Amino acid sequence: NAGVTQTPKFRVLKTGQSMTLLCAQDMNHEYMYWYRQDPGMGLRLIHYSVGEGTTAKGEVPDGYNVSRLKKQNFLLGLESAAPSQTSVYFCASSYRMSGQPQHFGDGTRLSIL
Amino acid sequence: GQQVMQIPQYQHVQEGEDFTTYCNSSTTLSNIQWYKQRPGGHPVFLIQLVKSGEVKKQKRLTFQFGEAKKNSSLHITATQTTDVGTYFCAGSDSSYKLIFGSGTRLLVRP
Repeated sequence: NAGVTQTPKFRVLKTGQSMTLLCAQDMNHEYMYWYRQDPGMGLRLIHYSVGEGTTAKGEVPDGYNVSRLKKQNFLLGLESAAPSQTSVYFCASSYRMSGQPQHFGDGTRLSIL
Repeated sequence: GQQVMQIPQYQHVQEGEDFTTYCNSSTTLSNIQWYKQRPGGHPVFLIQLVKSGEVKKQKRLTFQFGEAKKNSSLHITATQTTDVGTYFCAGSDSSYKLIFGSGTRLLVRP
């Protein structure tokens, strides 16, 4: 019972490098989300998707792009990494957006030097 | 935009003492969810409250939703070391997106 799987778990980048974080869920959920978690600031929504082929901006979308080509996968891209993007990134999924619990992956710890 | 405030930021208690965290929203919520995140772990859903004035219990945990649906609380009776972690509230308004509070980190002295 995998649930939500994120890869990689850890990554160190240099400023200006690009990378893609991968999220996969096996619960047939329509909705998927990318959050970042910084100390003392809780979880902030970066982008989300309400279904295959759709994406929308969340609270802090600048510097990130996303794609949902398949229902089970949600990719988060950093085109030109900046030190301010050092954070822990969580992917989550849910059956509906409102009124349903979100299921989180284990997170990706990303450091930008 | 919608904001969800949570206090306190930290709470350090002796095992056996009670613990409460409070959540306040700038707007009326359609529902509120609570999550627990163990150190080094990911948020795990605990419960959802929907009705005005609703109270739900899970063993030693009591969750309340305010009459105006703008505030909520989580109370833990007789804390145990297994309660250690960060507790987040997350409110959903008419936009349906969840807005997370900043969390309350609970530390328990054995």
